Amino acid sequence: QVQLTQSGAEVKKPGSSVKVSCKASGGTLNIYSISWVRQGPGQGLEWMGGFNPMFGAATYSQKFQGRVTIIADESTSTVNMEMSSLTFDDTAMYYCVREGSSWTFDHWGQGSLVTVSS
Amino acid sequence: QSALTQPASVSGSPGQSITVSCAGTTNDVGGYNLVSWYQQHPGTVPKLIIYENNKRPSGVSNRFSGSKSGNRASLTISGLQADDEADYYCSSYGGSSFPYVFGTGTKVTVL
Repeated sequence: QVQLTQSGAEVKKPGSSVKVSCKASGGTLNIYSISWVRQGPGQGLEWMGGFNPMFGAATYSQKFQGRVTIIADESTSTVNMEMSSLTFDDTAMYYCVREGSSWTFDHWGQGSLVTVSS
Repeated sequence: QSALTQPASVSGSPGQSITVSCAGTTNDVGGYNLVSWYQQHPGTVPKLIIYENNKRPSGVSNRFSGSKSGNRASLTISGLQADDEADYYCSSYGGSSFPYVFGTGTKVTVL
């Protein structure tokens, strides 16, 4: 049973960057894709992008293209998501999720709260 | 890509059936048989309850059922229970450029 364990909460200033990590256990990263989904306070779910090991590359939502980088380190079974130029609107819970069959998210990390505050 | 449209809230009494709708376009809901639904209780992570429009993962109650017609998908919860009170999100494959489109979310309240 795969488990996704994320890094802890972060407080960042506007204009800075944040890196959130996601470590997979109970499986290896090279056999499934990992995406990042965020949820603002009281808001809905939003797909940001994901890493596909088959292609060895990440794809991004147009909204986050150029501001978000997703990189996988298969040696440590970790996927990192880095977001730059943070604004107050980036305050949210960030989830790493495993992409299951039929374009679903079948395993979720516990979430990492990122707060952007001056 | 725009979010799929869901009603903000739906309510029902215990034992009743309710339906949550999810409206999309031919680029997402209408173009593929790949609608899924997630349940999220307050303070917890979302849980997959329906995939491929109408299939349930192992362990999900058969009180949850899904359907799709054209550009609209629906989630029906029958025999409503107190524990069904949660937020529900639909999601659809949206093509290779934007594979995951989520709905706006629906708060289900058990009266």
